[in-house]
Amino acid sequence: DQQVKQNSPSLSVQEGRISILNCDYTNSMFDYFLWYKKYPAEGPTFLISISSIKDKNEDGRFTVFLNKSAKHLSLHIVPSQPGDSAVYFCAASLYNQGGKLIFGQGTELSVKP
Amino acid sequence: GAVVSQHPSRVICKSGTSVKIECRSLDFQATTMFWYRQFPKKSLMLMATSNEGSKATYEQGVEKDKFLINHASLTLSTLTVTSAHPEDSSFYICSAFGQGARGYTFGSGTRLTVV
Repeated sequence: DQQVKQNSPSLSVQEGRISILNCDYTNSMFDYFLWYKKYPAEGPTFLISISSIKDKNEDGRFTVFLNKSAKHLSLHIVPSQPGDSAVYFCAASLYNQGGKLIFGQGTELSVKP
Repeated sequence: GAVVSQHPSRVICKSGTSVKIECRSLDFQATTMFWYRQFPKKSLMLMATSNEGSKATYEQGVEKDKFLINHASLTLSTLTVTSAHPEDSSFYICSAFGQGARGYTFGSGTRLTVV
């Protein structure tokens, strides 16, 4: 049972344009959502997070939007840069389950110059 | 910022032997350590959660006798893959959560290959 889903395994974007990565979840009890960036053979690097009580969080070029009614969140990167090329994972957590993270399958972003 | 040092980064071992992977939180106290496994082109699957000084809690389907987790101090957790088999070959990643850490901090991962 995949509680967190990233239905697009890959995304290709032109440099300077906006990248939009999507994530859907099924458990309405998730209270915290995070986005991670990962290169091959490395651990994930934290990008940005959002609490379930908010609908938007912005940090520089990265903005995360949360639509609780649709159980959907998205990560916007603007402007996209070639260095953003990596696999992006969304993750969700449940505080009352010890804060463990449930990850989506990842979306591989390729930003072309 | 918070750093988790994971060693070794890659290891090749023979079938039947045991391998130990270490994760150390360098500048914060990791009250909770999570261990994940990632198969090629797959998501990170949580294997177990360990709290300092307590026994680890394993996810369904994870053999606790095969994947031994020790979290004896606030800065060190280890995962030992016992009697390794080729199907244990994978990428293992730890994640620490604790006071002073910015949310969850991940180690750099360990690529285990069992031959």
